[in-house]
Amino acid sequence: ETGVTQTPRHLVMGMTNKKSLKCEQHLGHNAMYWYKQSAKKPLELMFVYNFKEQTENNSVPSRFSPECPNSSHLFLHLHTLQPEDSALYLCASSRKMGGSRNEKLFFGSGTQLSVL
Amino acid sequence: RKEVEQDPGPFNVPEGATVAFNCTYSNSASQSFFWYRQDCRKEPKLLMSVYSSGNEDGRFTAQLNRASQYISLLIRDSKLSDSATYLCVVNTNAGKSTFGDGTTLTVKP
Repeated sequence: ETGVTQTPRHLVMGMTNKKSLKCEQHLGHNAMYWYKQSAKKPLELMFVYNFKEQTENNSVPSRFSPECPNSSHLFLHLHTLQPEDSALYLCASSRKMGGSRNEKLFFGSGTQLSVL
Repeated sequence: RKEVEQDPGPFNVPEGATVAFNCTYSNSASQSFFWYRQDCRKEPKLLMSVYSSGNEDGRFTAQLNRASQYISLLIRDSKLSDSATYLCVVNTNAGKSTFGDGTTLTVKP
């Protein structure tokens, strides 16, 4: 186990549903990330939080809404998604962003999302 | 041009073969380098960091050439369990990680 826990592991939702993905890390890290990985495609960085502050939003549509209430928890709220949003959503954490160049990422197991 | 480029493969090799993957990066300010491994439909996991002097971990050897902005991963005596996608990751001085698209390896009996 990497110390990063994601729930649920699998999610099927309709285009009108609202759901949330949850990520929790037990590593004492201060930076948390959401990545998207569509089938047979590379990882796409979506959002970055460093010490609970959002530091990066990679032009993600507003139907994806992140929330970081503290350094250990990260949520991704989903609303009116499209079928093309079906993908593996991965949460990751690292000690922090910036200040130390040698930061390794620790990933959760991901949520496999299917939008019908 | 992508910031981190990898040969996508696939690389299909027999058990026991030696295989090498290459990765180039465009940001000369990049400071730290890693190889991750990702199995199908699972999360990436850190395989090894890459140090300037080169480093080895069992059957795996990583090398860095800063002048050419090039990283490599060598796998000796390939096992069936080495079949996966190998991701090259480059960090800037600010700690931002950029992933390559990955190189797919299949080791066959």
